Amino acid sequence: EPEVTQTPSHQVTQMGQEVILRCVPISNHLYFYWYRQILGQKVEFLVSFYNNEISEKSEIFDDQFSVERPDGSNFTLKIRSTKLEDSAMYFCASSLDRASNQPQHFGDGTRLSIL
Amino acid sequence: QKEVEQNSGPLSVPEGAIASLNCTYSDRVSQSFFWYRQYSGKSPELIMSIYSNGDKEDGRFTAQLNKASQYVSLLIRDSQPSDSATYLCAPIGSNDYKLSFGAGTTVTVRA
Repeated sequence: EPEVTQTPSHQVTQMGQEVILRCVPISNHLYFYWYRQILGQKVEFLVSFYNNEISEKSEIFDDQFSVERPDGSNFTLKIRSTKLEDSAMYFCASSLDRASNQPQHFGDGTRLSIL
Repeated sequence: QKEVEQNSGPLSVPEGAIASLNCTYSDRVSQSFFWYRQYSGKSPELIMSIYSNGDKEDGRFTAQLNKASQYVSLLIRDSQPSDSATYLCAPIGSNDYKLSFGAGTTVTVRA
């Protein structure tokens, strides 16, 4: 069964450094998302991406964050200057299209640890 | 701000019993509802979706939706130890396409 793949599985970074998290969505999916989950808290929406542009973003997704689809397969989340509070699991998801009845399928996540 | 409330856990049930999970949501325009299962340290895994009022059954899982009451539930029949996980309720609206997750209910199935 097709799946969303994320790399790396664990990223350790010094505070203030830039980090790029990578995702390969399911190949025929058109709508992409990033969510994060701070340890012990609920899964939170960050951003959705469709047709090579951001569709929606949350309050969390400030100027330190950016997303990009650099080629036909990868979807990346960049954090420009990491803070301690960015430590979390980051999940990429994709769905077939933007209809509300289309389920979102999640990757295994990247655990980001900021030191 | 969309609010999604789930019954507080943890919920402990004996093997073979029914686990009942509840979820209420504040956004009246929510159209679709998803239940995800999340094992500790893992990603959310889709187990059920429901779009219309009433019941939907898939194997040992039954989802129930009542849009008038803004309520959705999940029943797990014949609970197995492998069902021990946190179950996340996630509505999605018709105007946006982001999932709004509840905090989850942790289920422990006792062998």
